Amino acid sequence: GQQLNQSPQSMFIQEGEDVSMNCTSSSIFNTWLWYKQDPGEGPVLLIALYKAGELTSNGRLTAQFGITRKDSFLNISASIPSDVGIYFCAGRGGATNKLIFGTGTLLAVQP
Amino acid sequence: DAGITQSPRYKITETGRQVTLMCHQTWSHSYMFWYRQDLGHGLRLIYYSAAADITDKGEVPDGYVVSRSKTENFPLTLESATRSQTSVYFCASSPDGLRREKLFFGSGTQLSVL
Repeated sequence: GQQLNQSPQSMFIQEGEDVSMNCTSSSIFNTWLWYKQDPGEGPVLLIALYKAGELTSNGRLTAQFGITRKDSFLNISASIPSDVGIYFCAGRGGATNKLIFGTGTLLAVQP
Repeated sequence: DAGITQSPRYKITETGRQVTLMCHQTWSHSYMFWYRQDLGHGLRLIYYSAAADITDKGEVPDGYVVSRSKTENFPLTLESATRSQTSVYFCASSPDGLRREKLFFGSGTQLSVL
C-alpha cells in the first residue's frame, strides 16, 4: 500500500534551536497536513496545505507543500519545552485518495 | 464543549474476550474514524464511517467490528481479543466537504490484551 516516509524518527535538541522535519511519498498528493500529539493525548491539527509550493505558518511553525507534490516539510523556529511531542505528517492522494499518516517524528526539547 | 470523548481511557483484558471501545462526538460531524497507534507504524486506519449506518474498512480491519446507528456514536468492538491488538486506539471525527481531512481526535484508549 501507499507509504509516507517521515524523517527523522526522533530529535533531541536544546531549547531555542530550530527544527526541521520532512515527509515523502511515492505518490503525488493533493493535500498535506501536519499534526502534533502531546504525551497522553490525541493528535491535534497544526497546518493544512492544499497547493504545490504553498507555504503556511502557524506561529513559530511553518510548513510547505513540496513542488513535486510528493513531499512536505515542517519547520519549528526557536523551540521551547512545550514543543515536545510526536509530529505526524498526513497526506491524501495517490491511487486510493485516502488520508494516510506518516510514522511520526518524536521531538524532545532540553530546557 | 465536550468535543469528542473516548471511554474507557485504559482497559486490560484477556485473550479471547470481547471488548468494546466507545466514542462520542458532540459536533454532529459526518465522518468518524478509528485508528490504532503502534510504535513504528504511526496511525493506521481500522474503520471509518461517512454517516449513520454507513461504514467502511480501513487499512487494518481484521478482528474489529464497528457500528454507527447514531451520528454521534461510533463504537469499536474487538470480537475475540488477541495480543496483537494491544495498542492505543484513537477515535476521530471530521466535518463533511472540503475540510473532511481535518480530523479531530479523542484522547485515546490504551488497551492491553494479556
